[in-house]
Order: sequence, then C-alpha cells, then structure tokens
Amino acid sequence: DAGVIQSPRHEVTEMGQEVTLRCKLISGHNSLFWYRQTMMRGLELLIYFNNNVPIDDSGMPEDRFSAKMPNASFSTLKIQPSEPRDSAVYFCASSSQLEGNTEAFFGQGTRLTVV
Amino acid sequence: GQSLEQPSEVTAVEGAIVQINCTYQTSGFYGLSWYQQHDGGAPTFLSYNALDGLEETGRFSSFLSRSDSYGYLLLQELQMKDSASYFCAVLYNQGGKLIFGQGTELSVKP
Repeated sequence: DAGVIQSPRHEVTEMGQEVTLRCKLISGHNSLFWYRQTMMRGLELLIYFNNNVPIDDSGMPEDRFSAKMPNASFSTLKIQPSEPRDSAVYFCASSSQLEGNTEAFFGQGTRLTVV
Repeated sequence: GQSLEQPSEVTAVEGAIVQINCTYQTSGFYGLSWYQQHDGGAPTFLSYNALDGLEETGRFSSFLSRSDSYGYLLLQELQMKDSASYFCAVLYNQGGKLIFGQGTELSVKP
C-alpha cells in the first residue's frame, strides 16, 4: 500500500477563494482524521470519521470548514471562503479499529498559504 | 477541557540518553502514544502505552503512569538522525480521537 495520500502537496490561494484538500486512506482502514498544524497551535484535530460517519467535528474552526467522506477510501476538506489565518499544514491520517491496533498513519500533508 | 504538557525543546549530545516528559489532563483516556516528526513531514508512530509500565522498542522506550496522568519517552544512544519533534498524544478510544501535545523539539549535537 502506498500509504495515506494527500493532494495537493502545496496550495497557494487568494483570500476568499475556495480550497479543497483531498485524502486517500490506506486500504482497509476505517477511521479518518483531519489535523491542522501551525507553530502557534501545534497539531489540532479538526474532525474524525469512523466508517464514513463524522464522529467528532468539535475542532472544526467555523462554518467555513467542511469535511466529507463520499466513500470508504476518500475524504475532502473544504474551506470556503479561505482567509489568511487558515494558512497551515493540513494532515490527514487513517487507522484501523481492529483489535489491538493503536497506530495512526499520516499523509505528507498539504501546505496551504492564503494570501 | 483537555491539555497535554511537554517541554518545548531539549538538547542532548550524541550517544547520550534523553527523557521527554508528558503530563495530560483529558476527559477521556484509552492510552498514550508517541510520534516523531522530521522537518514538518508526516508524523510517524513510535510507541504506545495502555497500561502502567515501560514499553521498549529498540533504542526507544515509553512509560506510563495512569494514576499520575504522566508518561515519558526515553531515547537511548542518541544519534544525529534523532533530531526531530516528538509528540505525546492521548488516544481517547481504539481507532478514535487522538489529541496531540505541542511537541518537543529535540536537537542532538555532535
């Protein structure tokens, strides 16, 4: 398996534009996490899904952010409209809920810059 | 609320031993994990403790005391390549919510 795959790796956009980040889970994993990393706030959990269902979205900053899992292997995180304070590295991670498994596998991240 | 506290940075020399502490206060707890991150890349899993005691994985060991809400990562025989950020993370439930500390930047000097 190629691991968790995120696209794009880098995104530069203007304030007010819509941004869509994409994530492909590891085959067989059924939990999906979106994190945001900044110097000030560290690694923040935005939302996580189990079996395609959003379980906890309490970390989503505001209504401008939305996340979906249209199928078991793919997720999107959308920001509309984007603002300069959204600039960060966005990671998705996946894991399996099989007994004994505790490891989350991270993608390489999307570095978002909103100007 | 929830919080995980760890030192922001640690410096050590090659060959030495370093301990990175983590204290946590969370509304849920299933276990404590440790992750390593090089230069802003993908965090990678190092170790996990669900029960009190020490878990050893090669040069790295991790300890947990649930009664003290405390854990640490012990790195032995430090190498230059160990220079990275290390995060403790509380796992709320298996396969579920994973909350990270702010990270400790380890610098290994020659």
